[in-house]
Amino acid sequence: DAKTTQPPSMDCAEGRAANLPCNHSTISGNEYVYWYRQIHSQGPQYIIHGLKNNETNEMASLIITEDRKSSTLILPHATLRDTAVYYCIVGGIYNQGGKLIFGQGTELSVKP
Amino acid sequence: SQTIHQWPATLVQPVGSPLSLECTVEGTSNPNLYWYRQAAGRGLQLLFYSVGIGQISSEVPQNLSASRPQDRQFILSSKKLLLSDSGFYLCAWSEGYGYTFGSGTRLTVV
Repeated sequence: DAKTTQPPSMDCAEGRAANLPCNHSTISGNEYVYWYRQIHSQGPQYIIHGLKNNETNEMASLIITEDRKSSTLILPHATLRDTAVYYCIVGGIYNQGGKLIFGQGTELSVKP
Repeated sequence: SQTIHQWPATLVQPVGSPLSLECTVEGTSNPNLYWYRQAAGRGLQLLFYSVGIGQISSEVPQNLSASRPQDRQFILSSKKLLLSDSGFYLCAWSEGYGYTFGSGTRLTVV
């Protein structure tokens, strides 16, 4: 399974966009990029995933570079409730035996 | 809709005692099931995963074992707990893209 590199922590002002980077230079062709977040003492929550195209849902946008070696998760208007640890993971889907290996993530602090 | 149940929420056990944590999934068939452990508040470590009844893969050698007696039931066990087994244990399931996690069990071994 490919590994990812994320900054350990980031700050963001409330109402501004939060841009969380992730490097995954060893990603293979059939691996997806997943983003999860974990609020203290809770189970991780799925945010978004993508293969090679940019993706958007009600929570966030995912921008994947053309060479797929890095990606950025964008929270367009961060709120205090977005304070959490954000994990970028690469892995396959379940019917390909995929399993998700979590790294240390980025601790995002949204400040008033 | 699919739901995942994990219990208990918190557990305090003495060193050397046995452990049994249970996870059940509703609303799906033949899911992949996973056990993770999180120590010191960061970094989830994959312990076991299962692609079907009786099929268990272990990711790391440890004092724990897992079993899947039914399609939607995943059990984490230990015969004798160690202090180092303390942590936040999370069960998850998947049948496609991404995982859904349970609410976790916080285990403290004393």
